[in-house]
Amino acid sequence: DAKTTQPPSMDCAEGRAANLPCNHSTISGNEYVYWYRQIHSQGPQYIIHGLKNNETNEMASLIITEDRKSSTLILPHATLRDTAVYYCIVRVAGTGRRALTFGSGTRLQVQP
Amino acid sequence: NAGVTQTPKFQVLKTGQSMTLQCAQDMNHEYMSWYRQDPGMGLRLIHYSVGAGITDQGEVPNGYNVSRSTTEDFPLRLLSAAPSQTSVYFCASSYRTEGNTEAFFGQGTRLTVV
Repeated sequence: DAKTTQPPSMDCAEGRAANLPCNHSTISGNEYVYWYRQIHSQGPQYIIHGLKNNETNEMASLIITEDRKSSTLILPHATLRDTAVYYCIVRVAGTGRRALTFGSGTRLQVQP
Repeated sequence: NAGVTQTPKFQVLKTGQSMTLQCAQDMNHEYMSWYRQDPGMGLRLIHYSVGAGITDQGEVPNGYNVSRSTTEDFPLRLLSAAPSQTSVYFCASSYRTEGNTEAFFGQGTRLTVV
């Protein structure tokens, strides 16, 4: 699975959009981009995933660049409860080994 | 559905003791895995299973054993606890399909070895 690079920490004001970047310049054509978050040492929580098209769900939007070498997770209206560590993970589709490889993630602090 | 349930939530062991961390899921997921998370670090894969009767090693398997006799349960055994195994342990499950599905995590077991 491709390696990802994320900034170690970011701040965001409550009510504003939080834009979390991820670089995955070695991504292959059959690798998906996944985002998980971990709130205060709880179990990680799935947010969203995508292949090459932009994706949106009730939690967030995922923007993937055309060359797929980077992506941005957008939390449109951040709240204090969105303070967490956010992990960007790249993983090959359809493999029997379905483990996730976690890096260090981005610690997002939402400020009141 | 309860999702992924881990027990116990907290445990203190003495060096050399053995114990089993329990993980159960009620979603009929084929794939289950165990991770450990040390302070300030990301999660690292210990062992995983793609179905009942099938297990394999992850990134950091030494000192741990697993078995998968049923779809629902995937216990993690510490054979002889060491202080280096002080960590938070997470169990996860997902469907084993050719598509991409999300993984569900338990709330973790916080283990301290003294």
